[in-house]
Amino acid sequence: EIVLTQSPGTLSLSPGERATLSCRASQSLSIYLAWYQQKPGQAPRLLIYEASSRAPGIPARFSGSGSGTDFTLTISSLEPEDSAVYYCQQRISWPQAFGQGTKVEIK
Amino acid sequence: EVQLVESGGGLVQPGGSLKLSCAASGFTFSDSSMHWVRRTSGKGLEWIARVKSKAHNYATDYPASVRGRFTISRDDSKNTAYLQMNSLTTEDTAVYYCIKGWAGCGGDCYDYWGQGILVTVSS
Repeated sequence: EIVLTQSPGTLSLSPGERATLSCRASQSLSIYLAWYQQKPGQAPRLLIYEASSRAPGIPARFSGSGSGTDFTLTISSLEPEDSAVYYCQQRISWPQAFGQGTKVEIK
Repeated sequence: EVQLVESGGGLVQPGGSLKLSCAASGFTFSDSSMHWVRRTSGKGLEWIARVKSKAHNYATDYPASVRGRFTISRDDSKNTAYLQMNSLTTEDTAVYYCIKGWAGCGGDCYDYWGQGILVTVSS
C-alpha cells in the first residue's frame, strides 16, 4: 500500500504570506495526486487534481506542483478563510489513500 | 445543487451490524461512481469502499481493513448508495462520508461530499 506523508503538521502564518505544503509518497504516483481542504464542521473540498489542475471554482491563489513522489500545494497569499486542514490523496493504486493532513493556522 | 445526505448511523455494540444510506440529488447519479470514506481520530481519512456505475458493471473495491465485512451497493432507481457494515469493532468508530466520484479524474477523486454521519461502536 502506498503511504502519503504530509509536512509540516501545522503551519502558522499571517494573512498575505505564502504557504507551502508538502506531500511525499512511498511510491511513484505519476501525477495522480489530489489536494482537499477541510474546514471545521464542513466536508472536505477538492482543490487540486492530477497534481496541478485546479478544480472548478477554486481561486487562483491555490496551485499544485510535482510528480512522482514529491508534491507541493502552494497558497500564494493567505486569506483568513484559508484556515483549514489540507489533505493529499493518491488514486494511482488501490487502496486509495490520504495523507494525515497539514493544519494551516492564520495568525 | 448537489446534495448527499447520509443516514443510518448511531451507536452499535461490537460484533453488530449497521447499514448506512446516502440519498443523492442534483446530478446524474447513475453515471457516477460512489465512495465511502471515514475519518477517525487515529487514522485520519480512510477510503473504505467504491462502487462504479452500471457502465462499469457496478464494480466494487475495498481495502483489506473492511473487505469481507463491509458491502457497498447502489440503487440507481432511488439515487441512493448504501454501506452495509457487519462484524463491527471499536476501530470502526468514525465519521462516515458518502462521496461522489468526479469524472474529471476518472471517478477516483471526489468533488462532492456528504456532511458525514457518526458511527460509534461501543458496549
